[in-house]
Amino acid sequence: AQKITQTQPGMFVQEKEAVTLDCTYDTSDPSYGLFWYKQPSSGEMIFLIYQGSYDQQNATEGRYSLNFQKARKSANLVISASQLGDSAMYFCAMREVNTNAGKSTFGDGTTLTVKP
Amino acid sequence: DVKVTQSSRYLVKRTGEKVFLECVQDMDHENMFWYRQDPGLGLRLIYFSYDVKMKEKGDIPEGYSVSREKKERFSLILESASTNQTSMYLCASTTTPGRDTGELFFGEGSRLTVL
Repeated sequence: AQKITQTQPGMFVQEKEAVTLDCTYDTSDPSYGLFWYKQPSSGEMIFLIYQGSYDQQNATEGRYSLNFQKARKSANLVISASQLGDSAMYFCAMREVNTNAGKSTFGDGTTLTVKP
Repeated sequence: DVKVTQSSRYLVKRTGEKVFLECVQDMDHENMFWYRQDPGLGLRLIYFSYDVKMKEKGDIPEGYSVSREKKERFSLILESASTNQTSMYLCASTTTPGRDTGELFFGEGSRLTVL
């Protein structure tokens, strides 16, 4: 069974600074996808970034980067130059790729607060 | 603009009532999912479907059932609502694994309160 662990229930960061949100995962599958989603207070879930298990390079999307360390089974999200609008709940997720539906397993989430 | 639409944003039901939560996607996705979200517990998978009339149990299926009669529509049914089913319910859809990155597209959520 797949498992995602996010050990930081809440994080604070000063505006314009960088912040790292931790995520470790556990799976016996050789192929999988790793994702980060953002959920603002309005409730909608927003896809941020994806990393495939065979990707050699860390994924980047604008101010978001995923620090993928396969041997350590970690997939930390790095947000550079934090903005007030980054205040939200962040979820790490892993998707199966060798099944019919490819279901996703989520961590418990990290609430990020950006201070002005 | 691609979309997953959930029929109700807020519902209040009484214990024992039958509850239908409907979800429609316009992206021709094969796979659809129902999650419930509770504080401190993240998103937990209730049921999912990878094709019309195909359904599989997720991690917490007890007390729920689903229906997928058409590709675009996936319904979650609470046969007899109980207070411990008070929660936020999120519907999501995505493509077949391996076709692309495979991120989930979510509806806005349905917040159900059972009294």
